[in-house]
Amino acid sequence: GAVVSQHPSWVICKSGTSVKIECRSLDFQATTMFWYRQFPKQSLMLMATSNEGSKATYEQGVEKDKFLINHASLTLSTLTVTSAHPEDSSFYICSARDKGGFYGYTFGSGTRLTVV
Amino acid sequence: AQSVSQHNHHVILSEAASLELGCNYSYGGTVNLFWYVQYPGQHLQLLLKYFSGDPLVKGIKGFEAEFIKSKFSFNLRKPSVQWSDTAEYFCAVNAWSGNTPLVFGKGTRLSVIA
Repeated sequence: GAVVSQHPSWVICKSGTSVKIECRSLDFQATTMFWYRQFPKQSLMLMATSNEGSKATYEQGVEKDKFLINHASLTLSTLTVTSAHPEDSSFYICSARDKGGFYGYTFGSGTRLTVV
Repeated sequence: AQSVSQHNHHVILSEAASLELGCNYSYGGTVNLFWYVQYPGQHLQLLLKYFSGDPLVKGIKGFEAEFIKSKFSFNLRKPSVQWSDTAEYFCAVNAWSGNTPLVFGKGTRLSVIA
């Protein structure tokens, strides 16, 4: 079946630094990538949608200059949290979808970000 | 915009008990409906989905869900839970057409005790 590999699984960084999270589709072409954020005991909240080769579409309230999304290839999408602050600490999850939706929505295992 | 409501935050059951987790959605159009499970430390896994047809959907691991259009509901059921079913369960919905993202409920934590 379809697999999305997400790295790192957890990261601790200092306030003011940047962190990059990668999601790779291992056996299918991820034409669309969705990035979610999950706070403890809350739902997954959609941050942005990116289509390969295009600029990401951000949800209302999500700062595009802070959460940089790159989806330059059909197998790799990255989320960079720039100038991270403690309030950015959260669980970030990617979800990939192929063009025809054959594989449905395939989720990465998530990244636990802690900013100290 | 779609929204999803899961009524139970935390459910505790004994092994062999029956399970029903509630899910209601809000959307004016045709939707696709999903249930995902997240075991501790693992990624989200699809349990079952409804696109069209028979409103009673059977998924993996003995789970099933029934779509009741008039009630905007898609409740998840299992006749007899096992300790290994301990996990977080998420109901999700997206608009029927297009490559739209999933909208998730807040999740229900299921704890199964021996």
